[in-house]
Amino acid sequence: NAGVMQNPRHLVRRRGQEARLRCSPMKGHSHVYWYRQLPEEGLKFMVYLQKENIIDESGMPKERFSAEFPKEGPSILRIQQVVRGDSAAYFCASSSYDRGTEAFFGQGTRLTVV
Amino acid sequence: SQELEQSPQSLIVQEGKNLTINCTSSKTLYGLYWYKQKYGEGLIFLMMLQKGGEEKSHEKITAKLDEKKQQSSLHITASQPSHAGIYLCGADSPGNTGKLIFGQGTTLQVKP
Repeated sequence: NAGVMQNPRHLVRRRGQEARLRCSPMKGHSHVYWYRQLPEEGLKFMVYLQKENIIDESGMPKERFSAEFPKEGPSILRIQQVVRGDSAAYFCASSSYDRGTEAFFGQGTRLTVV
Repeated sequence: SQELEQSPQSLIVQEGKNLTINCTSSKTLYGLYWYKQKYGEGLIFLMMLQKGGEEKSHEKITAKLDEKKQQSSLHITASQPSHAGIYLCGADSPGNTGKLIFGQGTTLQVKP
C-alpha cells in the first residue's frame, strides 16, 4: 500500500508562471488536506477536500490559489501567476475519516519561484 | 483561534542524554499528534493522544497529554543521532473537520 504520493518533489517557476502540485492519497483515503510550510515557519492549513468537494478552504489565499480533488485522479493545488512569496514546501495529507485517526503526509513539493 | 506553542524552539543534546519537548495549547485539546520531520522531507507520524492523562510509548519516545488536555510533552530517552530532526505537535481543530493546527516545531540536534 503506497503512501501519500506527491509530485513533483521540486518545482522551479519564474514569477508569473503557473504551478501545479499533485497529490495522490493513500488507497482507501477520501480526505485530502493541503498545508504550506514557509521558511522558518510551521505548517499552515490551506484546504480540505473530499472527492469532488471543497469542505474547508479557510486557509487558502483569496487570489491565485485553487484546489480540486476530482472523482478520478489526484488532488491538484494550483497557483497562478506565482510570486516569490509563494516559495515554500507544500504538503498533502490524507486520512480515512475526519477525526480521530492520524493523517498520513506526503514528502512534499518544494516550490521555488525565481 | 487555537494556537500551539512548542518549547524549546531548538535543542542540542549529547548522544545518550534524555530530553523533553513541550507543546502548550491555548484551548482544550481534543486530539494531539506528534510528527517528526527530517530536513527536506515529509512528516512521519509518531503518536496520537486523545484522553486526559494518556501516555504512549514507542521505542525510546514517550508522549503524554496532561489531565487538563492543554499540554503535551514528548520525552526521548537515551537520544541517538537518528532522533535528530524537527518535531511538530499538531492538534485537531474545532469543528470536526480533521484539519490540524501545528506548533512552530522544535529542531533537535544530537551530537555523537
